Amino acid sequence: DQQVKQNSPSLSVQEGRISILNCDYTNSMFDYFLWYKKYPAEGPTFLISISSIKDKNEDGRFTVFLNKSAKHLSLHIVPSQPGDSAVYFCAASAPYGGSQGNLIFGKGTKLSVKP
Amino acid sequence: GAGVSQSPRYKVAKRGQDVALRCDPISGHVSLFWYQQALGQGPEFLTYFQNEAQLDKSGLPSDRFFAERPEGSVSTLKIQRTQQEDSAVYLCASSPSQGLGNQPQHFGDGTRLSIL
Repeated sequence: DQQVKQNSPSLSVQEGRISILNCDYTNSMFDYFLWYKKYPAEGPTFLISISSIKDKNEDGRFTVFLNKSAKHLSLHIVPSQPGDSAVYFCAASAPYGGSQGNLIFGKGTKLSVKP
Repeated sequence: GAGVSQSPRYKVAKRGQDVALRCDPISGHVSLFWYQQALGQGPEFLTYFQNEAQLDKSGLPSDRFFAERPEGSVSTLKIQRTQQEDSAVYLCASSPSQGLGNQPQHFGDGTRLSIL
C-alpha cells in the first residue's frame, strides 16, 4: 500500500519549456513534503520542500505546489534545461508518532529534457 | 568533504557472508537514517538514530540486519548471512534536527551491494 505515489514513470520535455512532475499521497498526517533529484550512481540531492501550512514554495526555477484537500503536490521547473534530466523523487514525512520524521518516497519520475 | 560519506561504494559478497556498510554523516548532524533502495523503486526506510540512540528500527527487514552509532557520529549497518534479496543500494542520510520534521535530509551516494 503506497502512501506516496508518482504515477508517471517518465516525462519528456523540450528545453526551455515547463516541466511538471506530480505526486499524490494518502496519509493525512504528512506535514512536510520534499522533492529530491537523483543522477545515476549518486545519492538523492535535496531540491525543494514545503510545509503543510503553505501551498506554494519557490526557489529559482523550481516551484512546489501543495493542494492538501486533494492530497496532491507538484513540482514545476521553468525553464527546463538539459541538466535537469534526472530521476525526481517526491517524499513526505509525518514528524510525530513512530515515524520519527523518516521519509516515505514515491517510485520516482524520470525527466528527460531534450535540447 | 562537507557531505554525507558512505563506504564502500560497491560491495560484492557471496551468499551467507556478513557485510558492514559505513556512513559518515555531516558533522554536527543529530539525526541519521538508513534507507534501502531496490532497482526501480524509491528509497525505503530502515532505521533512525538520534545521536547514539536508535529510536526506530521498524524498517529493518529481518534480525539479520543490525545498525549502530556508538558515539553519535559514524554509523555502521551490518547484514549477517546475506541473501540474494539483500542486493540493493543502501543509502545513509543525516539532518540537523532531532526528528521533529521540517528539516531536509541530506543523502550520501550509497553503497551498492550485490549478493552472488
